[in-house]
Amino acid sequence: EVQLVESGGGLVQPGRSLKLSCVASGFTFSNYGMNWIRQAPGKGLEWVAYISSGSSYIYYAETVKGRFTISRDNAKNTLYLQMTSLRSEDTALYYCASQTGSRYFDYWGQGVMVTVSS
Amino acid sequence: DVVMTQTPVSLSVSLGGQVSISCRSSQSLVHNNGNTYLSWYLQKPGQSPQLLIYKVSNRFSGISDRFSGSGSGTDFTLKISRVEPDDLGVYYCGQGTQYPRTFGGGTKLELK
Repeated sequence: EVQLVESGGGLVQPGRSLKLSCVASGFTFSNYGMNWIRQAPGKGLEWVAYISSGSSYIYYAETVKGRFTISRDNAKNTLYLQMTSLRSEDTALYYCASQTGSRYFDYWGQGVMVTVSS
Repeated sequence: DVVMTQTPVSLSVSLGGQVSISCRSSQSLVHNNGNTYLSWYLQKPGQSPQLLIYKVSNRFSGISDRFSGSGSGTDFTLKISRVEPDDLGVYYCGQGTQYPRTFGGGTKLELK
């Protein structure tokens, strides 16, 4: 059974940093691309970032480019999102999602809440 | 960026009924490789989104054949037949043809 478990969220002040983690199990993590997708309270889905299986290809949404960094450790089956210069508009539930097929998000974690507020 | 527009925003249905949700993209979703990367997701209340349909019309593992996807180019439709209580929630379309990946605004399916 595929499982994605996010952690690292919390309340943070504007301008500060936070690092999210997503531990994967139930599939060969090192073979597949991974994504971060977020959902602001009461809002829809916003794709944030993608990283390929070997970290060769990385893409970001313009809203986070230059502030967020996606990375992965295939030896630890773990995906990361380093978030810096956080803003109130980054407040959201952050999901990690796998891409074991082609260009769609097949498995999602339960999400981790990030609240940016003074 | 590809803008995804879903209609309607909300939908009321009777159990056992049938509904259709429309999704339009601002650009063709046909990739250079000939594939069309349009997918559908359902977010049930209090849960994470789950994949229903990928590449326009392919049902994901374990998804009932009551769900069907169709369309081409920029116009796509999700049909749900014989609606059950477990089908209620918010449906999103999403495109995987180009970056940034984008989603429609969602369609909330409620009981009449």
